[in-house]
Amino acid sequence: KAGVTQTPRYLIKTRGQQVTLSCSPISGHRSVSWYQQTPGQGLQFLFEYFSETQRNKGNFPGRFSGRQFSNSRSEMNVSTLELGDSALYLCASRGGTANTGELFFGEGSRLTVL
Amino acid sequence: QQQVKQSPQSLIVQKGGISIINCAYENTAFDYFPWYQQFPGKGPALLIAIRPDVSEKKEGRFTISFNKSAKQFSLHIMDSQPGDSATYFCAASMYQGAQKLVFGQGTRLTINP
Repeated sequence: KAGVTQTPRYLIKTRGQQVTLSCSPISGHRSVSWYQQTPGQGLQFLFEYFSETQRNKGNFPGRFSGRQFSNSRSEMNVSTLELGDSALYLCASRGGTANTGELFFGEGSRLTVL
Repeated sequence: QQQVKQSPQSLIVQKGGISIINCAYENTAFDYFPWYQQFPGKGPALLIAIRPDVSEKKEGRFTISFNKSAKQFSLHIMDSQPGDSATYFCAASMYQGAQKLVFGQGTRLTINP
């Protein structure tokens, strides 16, 4: 069974640009979450989608947005990039609907903002 | 109240020794406490998890000890091996219509051969 796939794995952008990251969850998983990982702030929750609906959102500015498609694949978008947005963006998928399911993380998309 | 505090930041243990990582939380509504292991260049992977209705859970060499009254939980790695060298994160979550994990800051564990 294939794991969570994130693309691209690495990307470099400049301030002011926007970026779109993609995540394909494990087959059959309907929940997709996004986390930002930085050395200073650690792992921080961005948002979770289930069946194309955003169920929860973390404390990030509106520049961070996401969506989920009918096939459960998800994208997140960051507009007007700032230097502080440089981070590893992790996607995680989960099966079922309850809050006890294991989260399976992808290897992340490493974003560098210059 | 949403924070999970993890210590130590880094830990060096000799092969065969016991590695202990501690976490503390404030929010009593948390009802799920997982530990994740992350190797360089990889995403975090679930190691072991516990619910607050039990005080200890063991899976192989890994044990979670949970103290509900003190709002603390810890990971013990017995007979630590060089392959256990990784960054470990504790986390906590509560049901809010979704599973939102609050992570500790991480502990970089090094096992010396």
